[in-house]
Amino acid sequence: QLQLQESGPGLVKPSETLSLTCTVSGGSISSGSYYWGWIRQPPGKGLEWIGTIYYTGSTYYNPSLKSRVTISVDTSKNQFSLKLSSVTAADTAVYYCARRIAVAVHDAFDIWGQGTMVTVSS
Amino acid sequence: DIQMTQSPSSLSASVGDRVTITCRASQSISSYLNWYQQKPGKAPNLLIYAASSLQSGVPSRFSGSGSGTDFTLTITSLQPEDFATYYCQQSYSTGFTFGPGTKVDIK
Repeated sequence: QLQLQESGPGLVKPSETLSLTCTVSGGSISSGSYYWGWIRQPPGKGLEWIGTIYYTGSTYYNPSLKSRVTISVDTSKNQFSLKLSSVTAADTAVYYCARRIAVAVHDAFDIWGQGTMVTVSS
Repeated sequence: DIQMTQSPSSLSASVGDRVTITCRASQSISSYLNWYQQKPGKAPNLLIYAASSLQSGVPSRFSGSGSGTDFTLTITSLQPEDFATYYCQQSYSTGFTFGPGTKVDIK
């Protein structure tokens, strides 16, 4: 049973860099048909896709966040990570990591981590 | 960017009711449309992918239809555990935009 678990600081100061890691267990992050992504949800609001990475290191970012986002993968640890720089209060949200299956039209986030709340405040 | 809209934004229904939620894309997305259910404090759960395919383990009272720009999620005979917020999401283009959500609560 594949599981994803987010980890990282729950409080980040304004202008600093938010860093989160997602650990994949019960399966390999190097499986060919899957991508790995980050999605966030501000309190009481909807879902926003942040970006996605393939195990080879190919990345795809939300254009609205692209200048501040870096997603990386460590296949030896079965982990992928998110860095979001120059954060403001608007980046306060629950951050989810998720697996994206992408086989033709079957393209969806089918397994999610439980999410981790990150607050941006001094 | 492809924009997604949903209607209604919220609805009240009773156990046993048939519920229909609509999602519209700002341009054609073929069948690259997914539906998720989210309960308070929990991660979203994939219900329907490719507009009409039921995710493994999801009850058959959930169904999806549509293609192009207009899509529908239907719940036949609403159950107590179905009270939640439902999101559509397009996977046609990078951006993977989600709709704003439809909250289904108890009448």
